[in-house]
Amino acid sequence: DAGVTQSPTHLIKTRGQQVTLRCSPKSGHDTVSWYQQALGQGPQFIFQYYEEEERQRGNFPDRFSGHQFPNYSSELNVNALLLGDSALYLCASSLGAGNTDTQYFGPGTRLTVL
Amino acid sequence: AQKITQTQPGMFVQEKEAVTLDCTYDTSDPSYGLFWYKQPSSGEMIFLIYQGSYDQQNATEGRYSLNFQKARKSANLVISASQLGDSAMYFCAMRDPRDGYFGNEKLTFGTGTRLTIIP
Repeated sequence: DAGVTQSPTHLIKTRGQQVTLRCSPKSGHDTVSWYQQALGQGPQFIFQYYEEEERQRGNFPDRFSGHQFPNYSSELNVNALLLGDSALYLCASSLGAGNTDTQYFGPGTRLTVL
Repeated sequence: AQKITQTQPGMFVQEKEAVTLDCTYDTSDPSYGLFWYKQPSSGEMIFLIYQGSYDQQNATEGRYSLNFQKARKSANLVISASQLGDSAMYFCAMRDPRDGYFGNEKLTFGTGTRLTIIP
């Protein structure tokens, strides 16, 4: 049973550039959530996708956008990168039907902005 | 106000001893969920254990148990017989129904505790 996968593993960009991160959910899951984890901190919720629509959003600027595809995989896009966007980006998948389901995380994408 | 508080930035524990990691939370909703995740240096967040606010008994998963004290709003993780492989960051997280709709609300994480197991 494949778990949550993310690509790429590492990424180095310069300020002002744009980046796209990808996530494939755990088999059978239909909901994808994205989190940003800065060094030394806990993950912060960015947004969540269900049925190809953004269902919830955290306190992140519009430079952060996403997409969910019919096969439930998801992308996170960040435009006009800032140095402060350097972080580990975690994708989590779950079932959207109930409120007791656990979110399972992928290995993350480590983004460095120079 | 912080929703999840982990007051132990770091802990050192002798191998084979039991360890308790503290977590307190803040919510006014009677229905919520509490999670513990382990994050090794590789970065992946590994789910350990879940406690629902209406669960009558403390959750257990192998060597992990959750000491849930609802009145005190605490959800401490207990690891029995610690092993070298337990060295990692540990995060407490909460799902609060006020933070979303239709279930599957976002998780709010604490700042974590770095656990180091000494041989």
